[in-house]
Amino acid sequence: NAGVTQTPKFQVLKTGQSMTLQCAQDMNHEYMSWYRQDPGMGLRLIHYSVGAGITDQGEVPNGYNVSRSTTEDFPLRLLSAAPSQTSVYFCASSYSIGTGAYNEQFFGPGTRLTVL
Amino acid sequence: DQQVKQNSPSLSVQEGRISILNCDYTNSMFDYFLWYKKYPAEGPTFLISISSIKDKNEDGRFTVFLNKSAKHLSLHIVPSQPGDSAVYFCAAKYTGRRALTFGSGTRLQVQP
Repeated sequence: NAGVTQTPKFQVLKTGQSMTLQCAQDMNHEYMSWYRQDPGMGLRLIHYSVGAGITDQGEVPNGYNVSRSTTEDFPLRLLSAAPSQTSVYFCASSYSIGTGAYNEQFFGPGTRLTVL
Repeated sequence: DQQVKQNSPSLSVQEGRISILNCDYTNSMFDYFLWYKKYPAEGPTFLISISSIKDKNEDGRFTVFLNKSAKHLSLHIVPSQPGDSAVYFCAAKYTGRRALTFGSGTRLQVQP
């Protein structure tokens, strides 16, 4: 199994440009999520999905869109990039057997995005 | 306002000694607490978890202690090894949800 894969590893954008960060997992996980990591702030949840066709907002959703057309893929779209979106982005997935227990989340290697 | 706080940005210990990483939280509705380890240029990897109904969980060299009255948890690594050098994130899961709330991380350096 490849686990959770993310592309690209690095990206530089100009303000106002749009792009899609790709995330895929081959573990048949129902739950997928996107986090951003900024210095001194840990990881913050952007959007998440509990299954194909179902998405919801996390802590910092503004400026980002997601969709979940398949179990495997969960792309993150930046509609009009801003310097404040310069960050490292992590995708994660886990089994989803309910909210009463904890299921280990598996993280991808991250995408380092710079917006000029 | 951060609900999960790691007040020590860095920690340095000698190989073979104990490493103690601390974490404080403010929300009583968290039902699971976790530690993730992160190496540079990699994603975080799960290390150990503890349910809010327990006060200790052990896995090999790693032990997590939970003090609910103080809203405090700690990760003990004994003995510490150079390969343990990484950033450690404390995280918590809110009751009824799957999403995690992370602390800001503590960089551990284990000196040979």
